[in-house]
Amino acid sequence: NAGVTQTPKFRVLKTGQSMTLLCAQDMNHEYMYWYRQDPGMGLRLIHYSVGEGTTAKGEVPDGYNVSRLKKQNFLLGLESAAPSQTSVYFCASTFGNQPQHFGDGTRLSIL
Amino acid sequence: AQKVTQAQTEISVVEKEDVTLDCVYETRDTTYYLFWYKQPPSGELVFLIRRNSFDEQNEISGRYSWNFQKSTSSFNFTITASQVVDSAVYFCALRATVAGAQKLVFGQGTRLTINP
Repeated sequence: NAGVTQTPKFRVLKTGQSMTLLCAQDMNHEYMYWYRQDPGMGLRLIHYSVGEGTTAKGEVPDGYNVSRLKKQNFLLGLESAAPSQTSVYFCASTFGNQPQHFGDGTRLSIL
Repeated sequence: AQKVTQAQTEISVVEKEDVTLDCVYETRDTTYYLFWYKQPPSGELVFLIRRNSFDEQNEISGRYSWNFQKSTSSFNFTITASQVVDSAVYFCALRATVAGAQKLVFGQGTRLTINP
């Protein structure tokens, strides 16, 4: 019973490099979310998806893109990484009024 | 505006003391849900409780209890007889409707340290 799986768990990038974070859920959830967690700021919503093929902007979307080509996967892309994007990234999924299930997080450092 | 405020940034107590974590929220929704999550030092987010806006009954689960008061827009969390394993960052969150979609709005978190 994997739940929500995030890949990779850790990554170090140089400024200007690109990368994609993968989130996979095996619970057939409709809703998926990407958050970033920074010290003293809680979790802030980057982008979210209410179903396969749909995406929408959250609170802090600039510098990120997302895709939901398959219901079980939600990809977060950084086209040109910046030091301000150093953070811990969490993916979550849910359906209906249920609590969001979170992945274990991806720790990303941009040098 | 949809907002959650956890005014206590850090709390430190000695083991076996009781401790209350405060959470105040703002929302225009008439139906909403409130949550508490725990983030231990290992980093994962652990769901603790969900409460809907129509249920103001207090909840008790072992040493944990929650006090929901709509009149003061508060959803406070109390740990009785705290233990070192309770050391973590605790987040209060509000599920609200923003731009037609259900989203979680998190407070800034309270870092709780239980000293032996």
